[in-house]
Amino acid sequence: QVQLQESGPGLVKPSETLSLTCTVSGGSVSNSNFYWSWIRQPPGKGLEWIGYIDYSGSTSNNPSLKSRVTISLDTSKKQFSLKLSSVTAADTAVYYCARRGIVCSNTSCYPGWFDPWGQGTLVTVSS
Amino acid sequence: QSVLTQPPSVPGAPGQRVTISCTGSSSNIGAGYDVHWYEQVPGTAPKLLIYGNTNRPSGVPDRFSGSKSGTSASLAISGLQAEDEADYYCQSYDSSLSGVVFGGGTKLTVL
Repeated sequence: QVQLQESGPGLVKPSETLSLTCTVSGGSVSNSNFYWSWIRQPPGKGLEWIGYIDYSGSTSNNPSLKSRVTISLDTSKKQFSLKLSSVTAADTAVYYCARRGIVCSNTSCYPGWFDPWGQGTLVTVSS
Repeated sequence: QSVLTQPPSVPGAPGQRVTISCTGSSSNIGAGYDVHWYEQVPGTAPKLLIYGNTNRPSGVPDRFSGSKSGTSASLAISGLQAEDEADYYCQSYDSSLSGVVFGGGTKLTVL
């Protein structure tokens, strides 16, 4: 079955760029039925959707993060990546990658559920 | 504040049935968008529990069930077991925000 694994630095300095990679195994990242997503969870708090990318490279990001988010896809390596610029302590969180499905009705399609998820990686923003 | 509202905590005794609510608005649940539920044991990644309002993935016990009505959805857990103690999150789509939204999470405590 499909498995996802996050990797990247666990410590980032304020004002710098957080960079994480998610490696997908057991399946293709070129499947048009799925979107490859990033979600984060600050310590002791709830889940926050960051953004996602589809097989063609089209992306959608959480407006609350404005233009700080860049998500890219490397189909040859079966990896997708997250870059979050100008980080502050508020960006300290466990970052998860996940596969997101699509729900389609008679008239339109919209984001579905997240499954599976990676194990998550804690990124701390501190000098 | 989360777009979807959940009670912060819900207690239950072993064997009991509990429900966790998820209240949205006319731009998300009320607009007809599906609700999905996740279980998160502390220190681990969330796990899909219910998708498409009422459907259970393979391997999820039928003690877990989901429902949706109007601008709200609910997760019910019957025959409560100690292993059900976890945080539960609802998720949907919001057309006003053009994005995925999560509830704030509910901590289920098995007494």
